[in-house]
Amino acid sequence: QSALTQPASVSGSPGQSITISCTGTSSDVGGFNYVSWYQQHPGEAPKLMIHRVSDRPSGISNRFSGSKSGSTASLTISGLQAEDEADYYCSSYTSSSDMVFGGGTKVTVL
Amino acid sequence: QVQLVESGGGLVKPGGSLRLSCEASGITFSHYYMSWIRQAPGKGLEWVSYISTGSSTIYYADSVRGRFTISRDNAKNSLFLQMNSLRAEDTAVYYCATLSYSIGWPFDSWGQGTLVSVSS
Repeated sequence: QSALTQPASVSGSPGQSITISCTGTSSDVGGFNYVSWYQQHPGEAPKLMIHRVSDRPSGISNRFSGSKSGSTASLTISGLQAEDEADYYCSSYTSSSDMVFGGGTKVTVL
Repeated sequence: QVQLVESGGGLVKPGGSLRLSCEASGITFSHYYMSWIRQAPGKGLEWVSYISTGSSTIYYADSVRGRFTISRDNAKNSLFLQMNSLRAEDTAVYYCATLSYSIGWPFDSWGQGTLVSVSS
């Protein structure tokens, strides 16, 4: 149950696009299209932003998109806004029927 | 609207026990897998355990297996986490969440969390 690997921080200016990576193995990210992404603002519970690699739940802005290549999934935020400043986590189902999270990425809007 | 409300957190000594509860409303609770996720102060999210709709399928993280027990009461729309042999490293906010295996295993609804502090 090793955590998925995310960069500790990513930053961008308003209006720009940023991408957060989430690297696992063939036993989790690479083996299933079961990657999800969560946004967490300070003091709040996490919020689901993307599921099944690239599906957006109802109500989530289309500025958020997901993709996957091999054992690395990515979350792209387009048209970066001040309200996007938060921590972001990926998660994946695993071949052991467990769940695993990434270590989290702090997004800063410059 | 889905609402998940955790309770039962508090301060406990190392080696002690605590039972967390999560009451659900706004959903047909018996139709959902449920999970516990924790977050140590200033740290990331850590999956703890999940349970299937009828309690026949249960999985735990290695860090809690043998010490924690997840259970549910569908008649009372409630999820539980019995935590025994608590350690300082179990200190965290504990969230309950729905786990929707049918749409790719996301934790799609979350409670606000309950804080567990393990300290002498």
